[in-house]
Amino acid sequence: NAGVMQNPRHLVRRRGQEARLRCSPMKGHSHVYWYRQLPEEGLKFMVYLQKENIIDESGMPKERFSAEFPKEGPSILRIQQVVRGDSAAYFCASSRTGRSTDTQYFGPGTRLTVL
Amino acid sequence: DAKTTQPNSMESNEEEPVHLPCNHSTISGTDYIHWYRQLPSQGPEYVIHGLTSNVNNRMASLAIAEDRKSSTLILHRATLRDAAVYYCILRDDWDNNDMRFGAGTRLTVKP
Repeated sequence: NAGVMQNPRHLVRRRGQEARLRCSPMKGHSHVYWYRQLPEEGLKFMVYLQKENIIDESGMPKERFSAEFPKEGPSILRIQQVVRGDSAAYFCASSRTGRSTDTQYFGPGTRLTVL
Repeated sequence: DAKTTQPNSMESNEEEPVHLPCNHSTISGTDYIHWYRQLPSQGPEYVIHGLTSNVNNRMASLAIAEDRKSSTLILHRATLRDAAVYYCILRDDWDNNDMRFGAGTRLTVKP
């Protein structure tokens, strides 16, 4: 059973470009979470999605950031008009259920560098 | 979410036991205590979780104080591969599954 897949692993963008980060959850998992980790800091929750629905986006910046988890295909975190402050590691996690006692399995992360 | 307090860093010698403390004095009756760790340049990974009773698995043991206001993650024989940031997180059974990470404890293992 493959783990959580994220691609690309490394992404370089110039200021003003768009970044699209992809996350394929573990097989059988329909709950996806995105976290951001700035250099030398802890992980910060961004958004929680269940197939085709956004459950909690309280950690998402109000502008430029969006996330989706379509019925078919991976979850996408999109950052429009990137700025240098968006440079960070973005981690995706998945779980089988949405219960807080259910283990989250994390992907290897996408490291975004904005020039 | 109830807050947790962990030391910023700890050191251990290889093959010795490590006790990583976590204080959570405002824990509620329905909060589970979860531990995750993040190895360098990797995503976090689940270690263990518990509610009231002590828990053991192949990775570690979790000792929970009788009043549940603190807990200790125990690595029985630290290896170099255990060097990581360890996060203690409280999760209410009725909350969504998104997690709020604190700063964690950075464990250094010396050979």
